[in-house]
Amino acid sequence: NAGVTQTPKFQVLKTGQSMTLQCAQDMNHEYMSWYRQDPGMGLRLIHYSVGAGITDQGEVPNGYNVSRSTTEDFPLRLLSAAPSQTSVYFCASSRRDRVDEQYFGPGTRLTVT
Amino acid sequence: DAKTTQPPSMDCAEGRAANLPCNHSTISGNEYVYWYRQIHSQGPQYIIHGLKNNETNEMASLIITEDRKSSTLILPHATLRDTAVYYCLTTARSNFGNEKLTFGTGTRLTIIP
Repeated sequence: NAGVTQTPKFQVLKTGQSMTLQCAQDMNHEYMSWYRQDPGMGLRLIHYSVGAGITDQGEVPNGYNVSRSTTEDFPLRLLSAAPSQTSVYFCASSRRDRVDEQYFGPGTRLTVT
Repeated sequence: DAKTTQPPSMDCAEGRAANLPCNHSTISGNEYVYWYRQIHSQGPQYIIHGLKNNETNEMASLIITEDRKSSTLILPHATLRDTAVYYCLTTARSNFGNEKLTFGTGTRLTIIP
């Protein structure tokens, strides 16, 4: 199993540009989530999904959209990038009844200038 | 979820046991204690969890006090590869996938050769 994969690994955007961070898992996990991590801070939950077609907001959802059309994929869209969205983004997945034991991807390092 | 308090940093000599404390004095009866770690630039990795009994797996041991207000993660023979930020979390488990993991700033453990 590849586990949780994220693309790209690095990305630089200009303010106002949009882009999609990709996340995929091959473990047939129902639960998937997106976190952001800023320097010196813990991870903050952006959005999560408990299954295909179901998404919900986390702690810091503003400026981000998600959709879940398949079990495997959970893309995160930045609608109009802002410097405050410069961060490292982690995608995670787990069984729906074991959200406490999440598998994390390697992260995407995003810089918005 | 209960708020957790951890020391910001600790050092441990290679080969010795690393004991990482966590206070969770407001923990509810149905909340578990979880530990994750994050090695530099990687996604967090699940280590261990427990409710009230001590737990051990191939990575670590978890000691929870009888009143459940604090716990200690023990890495029995620390190696340089154990240098990471260690997060202590609490959450109630459910079968609905609606629990959210809240990561604080953790303890930065440095293993010294």
